[in-house]
Amino acid sequence: EAEVAQSPRYKITEKSQAVAFWCDPISGHATLYWYRQILGQGPELLVQFQDESVVDDSQLPKDRFSAERLKGVDSTLKIQPAELGDSAMYLCASSSSGGRKEQYFGPGTRLTVT
Amino acid sequence: SQQGEEDPQALSIQEGENATMNCSYKTSINNLQWYRQNSGRGLVHLILIRSNEREKHSGRLRVTLDTSKKSSSLLITASRAADTASYFCATDAEDSNYQLIWGAGTKLIIKP
Repeated sequence: EAEVAQSPRYKITEKSQAVAFWCDPISGHATLYWYRQILGQGPELLVQFQDESVVDDSQLPKDRFSAERLKGVDSTLKIQPAELGDSAMYLCASSSSGGRKEQYFGPGTRLTVT
Repeated sequence: SQQGEEDPQALSIQEGENATMNCSYKTSINNLQWYRQNSGRGLVHLILIRSNEREKHSGRLRVTLDTSKKSSSLLITASRAADTASYFCATDAEDSNYQLIWGAGTKLIIKP
């Protein structure tokens, strides 16, 4: 069964350092989402891509976060510089286009900023 | 911002009992979805119910939707230890751009 891949699974970094997360969606899924999830809360959308274009990044802290999906397939989310408050689970999800459908999630990257 | 609110926040029951979780939302929707998240893992889609549907079943899961009350419920029958997880409802609002708005989840613990 096709899955969304994410790496790394865990990342510990010191504040002010740069960190990057990678996501490979299910093949053929045009829509890709990056979420941040704080423990005990639901996911919060950071950025949404349709193919290689950003559909919504209104909740992305653009002074330190950036996201790209250059060829419309895999995607990278970067934080520079990391702050203590960035400690969270970062989830990637994808869905097929052509209708309002379910999202498929990767296993997530647990980020700890020290 | 979170549209959905799950109730209760936490639920602990004995194995074999039924578990019911509720979700309320604020705006008109295209569909409502339920997801499960095991501790420290990604979310898994359970069931999608469209705004013109009132009830849907999938195995031991039963979902109801009341659009007049803007609420939904998820029933898990004959619970098992493996059902221990957090359960989230997510709404696909009519004015959204294929985005889901998530509640804070219900943490379900099944005691053996």
